[in-house]
Amino acid sequence: AQSVAQPEDQVNVAEGNPLTVKCTYSVSGNPYLFWYVQYPNRGLQFLLKYITGDNLVKGSYGFEAEFNKSQTSFHLKKPSALVSDSALYFCAVRDGNSGNTPLVFGKGTRLSVIA
Amino acid sequence: GAVVSQHPSRVICKSGTSVKIECRSLDFQATTMFWYRQFPKQSLMLMATSNEGSKATYEQGVEKDKFLINHASLTLSTLTVTSAHPEDSSFYICSARLSQAGTSNQPQHFGDGTRLSIL
Repeated sequence: AQSVAQPEDQVNVAEGNPLTVKCTYSVSGNPYLFWYVQYPNRGLQFLLKYITGDNLVKGSYGFEAEFNKSQTSFHLKKPSALVSDSALYFCAVRDGNSGNTPLVFGKGTRLSVIA
Repeated sequence: GAVVSQHPSRVICKSGTSVKIECRSLDFQATTMFWYRQFPKQSLMLMATSNEGSKATYEQGVEKDKFLINHASLTLSTLTVTSAHPEDSSFYICSARLSQAGTSNQPQHFGDGTRLSIL
């Protein structure tokens, strides 16, 4: 079975400062890791994924994430936050060895970027 | 990029009404679609996995007779909330993934959700 932990319910950061949204995971097989963003009353938008290869993954809107196998983490980062980045962020995992299984999501972290 | 269309975006109806929600993959084929439910300020809860041409697989605790799922084609899955009651009020989101060979590492793409309010 797989699981995802997002230890922070809320992250506040000043505009222009770097941001980090934390995620750790547990999976028995091969981790496929994803980050999504959700704006109010909308579905989830895909930001980036890690499947294999370079541990630093770059995605949409200037976001990136670093896969750390030893710490089983996949933290989302951005060098300079924008007010428009304020939203709900979800980390998700699936076992790449287990076929067409759905993603398992963390509980989400609300990011507030303050001008 | 891959687009998933979900309709309607909002439904307000009386208790006892049945409500159908459609989920379409617009530019790709999806043999599998997923239905989630999201409560306020909470994560997505997987309700069921919808398989084209076969019965849906429901998660534990989800009533299959309450939440009817039909996946009649490679681009359309429907969720029908039968005899809806106020406790069924929620945000329902569908998701689909490319089903071609070699695409198991592709992300799931999500519809914009349906806000269901039962009075």
